[in-house]
Amino acid sequence: DAGVTQTPRHEVAEKGQTIILKCEPVSGHNDLFWYRQTKIQGLELLSYFRSKSLMEDGGAFKDRFKAEMLNSSFSTLKIQPTEPKDSAVYLCASRSGTDYEQYFGPGTRLTVL
Amino acid sequence: GDSVTQTEGQVTVSESKSLIINCTYSATSIGYPNLFWYVRYPGEGLQLLLKVITAGQKGSSRGFEATYNKEATSFHLQKASVQESDSAVYYCALSDMGGRALIFGTGTTVSVSP
Repeated sequence: DAGVTQTPRHEVAEKGQTIILKCEPVSGHNDLFWYRQTKIQGLELLSYFRSKSLMEDGGAFKDRFKAEMLNSSFSTLKIQPTEPKDSAVYLCASRSGTDYEQYFGPGTRLTVL
Repeated sequence: GDSVTQTEGQVTVSESKSLIINCTYSATSIGYPNLFWYVRYPGEGLQLLLKVITAGQKGSSRGFEATYNKEATSFHLQKASVQESDSAVYYCALSDMGGRALIFGTGTTVSVSP
């Protein structure tokens, strides 16, 4: 089975732009997570979906970050407008819902100039 | 709130020597934390190394061990004899029985020198 897929792998944006990151979870997984990874803060939760319903989101990220599950096999994370402090690696993970293990994608490295 | 604190920054250890990465947690809103160690090898994605969901039990994988100590709120990762291939970034994490999102420590970079 294919693992978690994320596109693009790298993204460069100007301040104020809108960017959309994409994620395809492991087939059959019901849970999907978006995390942001920085050297200072480590991994922080952005959003958590179960069966396409939003279960949890990181309170600090609500204003400019919006994650959606368009269907059970595709999710997007929109950042609008981008700011230089958004430069980070964005990780998507999925889980079957009957197991504890989260499977992570390779991440998207975002640079905001 | 709930949080994880682990050995910060970078740890350098010689091959065949022992390694310990400290991890302590605070779970004020989680009654029964589940504890994890994740690892990211160079050029690879983050992956589960081991997990323990019951206090007092030990998890093991690839020569690494970690014991869930509820009294000390700790979950230290240990290996008796490291190899160069253990060079990676290690993350301690916790979740609850309901399976909500993971709360991660900031990561520890381990470099094993020959």
